Amino acid sequence: EAQVTQNPRYLITVTGKKLTVTCSQNMNHEYMSWYRQDPGLGLRQIYYSMNVEVTDKGDVPEGYKVSRKEKRNFPLILESPSPNQTSLYFCASSLSFGGVSSYEQYFGPGTRLTVT
Amino acid sequence: KNQVEQSPQSLIILEGKNCTLQCNYTVSPFSNLRWYKQDTGRGPVSLTIMTFSENTKSNGRYTATLDADTKQSSLHITASQLSDSASYICVVTIPSGTYKYIFGTGTRLKVLA
Repeated sequence: EAQVTQNPRYLITVTGKKLTVTCSQNMNHEYMSWYRQDPGLGLRQIYYSMNVEVTDKGDVPEGYKVSRKEKRNFPLILESPSPNQTSLYFCASSLSFGGVSSYEQYFGPGTRLTVT
Repeated sequence: KNQVEQSPQSLIILEGKNCTLQCNYTVSPFSNLRWYKQDTGRGPVSLTIMTFSENTKSNGRYTATLDADTKQSSLHITASQLSDSASYICVVTIPSGTYKYIFGTGTRLKVLA
């Protein structure tokens, strides 16, 4: 089944304790992206990756890191989480991005992170 | 500033009724406009994708329209069902160069029996 998976689905952690949220897709997609969703603010893009070893900042990259060593995986790293990073996080992927092409973007099930 | 604004913020309708959700955007130029459905606590699922040259796109009971001149889009839901209760999100894609999506904050729809 074609899908985007994220782990863990739920995580409660303390301020400053490094964590990684994994994201994997099995559709051979080039474009992958991380979003956070907060009440009243909608989805905001954290980082995106056009392909292996190519990543760039979205609108809210502060406090996050990403890596794209393999095409299928795009982990989100919080080196020193803070309470303002408490949010619902989504990973997404699409075949590609660009021009007038309308590539379908598929979202993962979400990771609910609480930082105390 | 590139923005996508949706209205209303929330909407309650009775099962079987029709409704229309609005999306206004200031993104220019743009590649395409998408509508997503998001059930509570789950990832968004694509309903329609329209390029700037398309006026309308349907997906079952969902019909999206686009007016690129006025920078407005609407999502019309026909004969609503309880399962239509969800948030509906309008997303505009910026053309190559930035590779970004601009999301609206969504309209929360509740369908009552």
